[in-house]
Amino acid sequence: AQTVTQSQPEMSVQEAETVTLSCTYDTSESDYYLFWYKQPPSRQMILVIRQEAYKQQNATENRFSVNFQKAAKSFSLKISDSQLGDAAMYFCAYRNAGGTSYGKLTFGQGTILTVHP
Amino acid sequence: DTGVSQDPRHKITKRGQNVTFRCDPISEHNRLYWYRQTLGQGPEFLTYFQNEAQLEKSRLLSDRFSAERPKGSFSTLEIQRTEQGDSAMYLCASSLEGRGRTNYGYTFGSGTRLTVV
Repeated sequence: AQTVTQSQPEMSVQEAETVTLSCTYDTSESDYYLFWYKQPPSRQMILVIRQEAYKQQNATENRFSVNFQKAAKSFSLKISDSQLGDAAMYFCAYRNAGGTSYGKLTFGQGTILTVHP
Repeated sequence: DTGVSQDPRHKITKRGQNVTFRCDPISEHNRLYWYRQTLGQGPEFLTYFQNEAQLEKSRLLSDRFSAERPKGSFSTLEIQRTEQGDSAMYLCASSLEGRGRTNYGYTFGSGTRLTVV
């Protein structure tokens, strides 16, 4: 079974600064997807960024980028130029690209991000 | 399409009562997922459907829980003889899966918050 671990329960950052959220995962599969989701308080989960395991290039979406280290099974999220609206719970998630449990997302425990003005 | 809709948003019930939640996915999505999220934790997988077929159920889904997706459209999740430990946010998500389709992860609903008193 796959597991996802987020070792930082809480992180904080000053507005306009950069913050990195950590995630490690464990799997025996070679083809899979990794995601970062954002869940603002009392609001629905939103996809932030996605990475295919077969791609060596790190995904980037505007101010959000990832550092995907496949051998180390590490998938960190960097938020640049942090904004007040980035404050939320962030979840790292994993899914197989095929085979058993294809489609099921496995989530980490989450990291609460606070942005200070 | 307005996204994934869940009804009700909140439900308070007495222990021992039955409750039913509804999820309307994005219309063209063929997969529908149910997750449970307790406060401060990541979502935990419960079950998922591809069209009308229920393809996987978690061991978390005791025999008091049942889910259906008639005709591959909306889905219902019923909890019989509710217990206080069932108090959680129940999240529904949908996705479009299949060969040649690019996976962008799930689209989540806003969830149904269940409180068992």
